[in-house]
Amino acid sequence: EDQVTQSPEALRLQEGESSSLNCSYTVSGLRGLFWYRQDPGKGPEFLFTLYSAGEEKEKERLKATLTKKESFLHITAPKPEDSATYLCAVQPPSSSNTGKLIFGQGTTLQVKP
Amino acid sequence: DAGVTQSPTHLIKTRGQHVTLRCSPISGHKSVSWYQQVLGQGPQFIFQYYEKEERGRGNFPDRFSARQFPNYSSELNVNALLLGDSALYLCASSGSLNQPQHFGDGTRLSIL
Repeated sequence: EDQVTQSPEALRLQEGESSSLNCSYTVSGLRGLFWYRQDPGKGPEFLFTLYSAGEEKEKERLKATLTKKESFLHITAPKPEDSATYLCAVQPPSSSNTGKLIFGQGTTLQVKP
Repeated sequence: DAGVTQSPTHLIKTRGQHVTLRCSPISGHKSVSWYQQVLGQGPQFIFQYYEKEERGRGNFPDRFSARQFPNYSSELNVNALLLGDSALYLCASSGSLNQPQHFGDGTRLSIL
């Protein structure tokens, strides 16, 4: 069964303290891996798409990387406004005609000033 | 440009009732997907429609149904509501099946 697991479930950082969030998946033949940010009471906001192992994408203080079995979201010198839940989702081969995404449970990040 | 819009934002129903949730995709997007998000969990796939045809269905009972209209807007219908249907219902749109999906802020459904 296709599964996505994110760790840790929750992460508390001091402002400026860099860290990484992990997303591991059991899907074979990944069609795409997506990172989203979700603020309380809001829908997920698209951040990145990664398609192949070795690929990297950056946006401000965030960098996403992809290997054959996992993805990392690196947060460099975070600020309090980076506090949110970060969701990872994969598009398995079986969804080639559906676009179905399988989400992890998310990592809730809190950055304290 | 307007993002994905969903209505209503909040809804309170009682067990056994029926509910209709609505979604307008980003202009130019032909694909609409529906997800259910229970508190503390990631979204779960319910349906996807592309060019007004159902392209995918998740592991949800037949009480859940959807459709897409000629203007690409969509409705999600849930019959015979159960307490366990309480959740945030998210709609997402994309230009095609393999492009990133962009989400609306959802409809918060509470079942009493």
